[in-house]
Amino acid sequence: GAGVSQTPSNKVTEKGKYVELRCDPISGHTALYWYRQSLGQGPEFLIYFQGTGAADDSGLPNDRFFAVRPEGSVSTLKIQRTERGDSAVYLCASSLSLAGANSYNEQFFGPGTRLTVL
Amino acid sequence: SQQGEEDPQALSIQEGENATMNCSYKTSINNLQWYRQNSGRGLVHLILIRSNEREKHSGRLRVTLDTSKKSSSLLITASRAADTASYFCATDEGGFKTIFGAGTRLFVKA
Repeated sequence: GAGVSQTPSNKVTEKGKYVELRCDPISGHTALYWYRQSLGQGPEFLIYFQGTGAADDSGLPNDRFFAVRPEGSVSTLKIQRTERGDSAVYLCASSLSLAGANSYNEQFFGPGTRLTVL
Repeated sequence: SQQGEEDPQALSIQEGENATMNCSYKTSINNLQWYRQNSGRGLVHLILIRSNEREKHSGRLRVTLDTSKKSSSLLITASRAADTASYFCATDEGGFKTIFGAGTRLFVKA
């Protein structure tokens, strides 16, 4: 079946501009995660959704970053007033559900969106 | 901030050799996972080990976990050129946030 897809695959923007990054999770997956990965580093947690609500947004670096998932499926990560330091690969993942604190549901990752802020 | 720390940062071996990567973490965990990433893009989940397990195998992969030392190791036996990738350990804080380490870059020479 179809995996997690992300669009665009590459985005080049100028400092100060607004960008939106889209994630289409695997159908039926209720949990959705956003990560940011800088060159040579591991993915850094940003936010995750259970259904339509942001269950944990503690990884968002500041209030220029916002994410929505209005219908519990597709999610959009929004970055306002972009800065050069926002340049990174933004990864999205989805999983079936979070069944409890001691359970694990495998996350399936998309290919990422490479954001370059000039 | 990232919890897991892998070492070595980079590893270069010949095809057929074994590759061992280590990971250390800082707080109590429910489970630890290992992921592979090719060409700086999508991650693929390799194996999960729960906090009450000490060793787990999957094909050519062997993972160990020592919760007293807060460390894990990933062993890839009989490596192949196709194993060339970055490998990350990741820990779950109560099954919610997943915290990744900085990764080990493995290069397998044919």
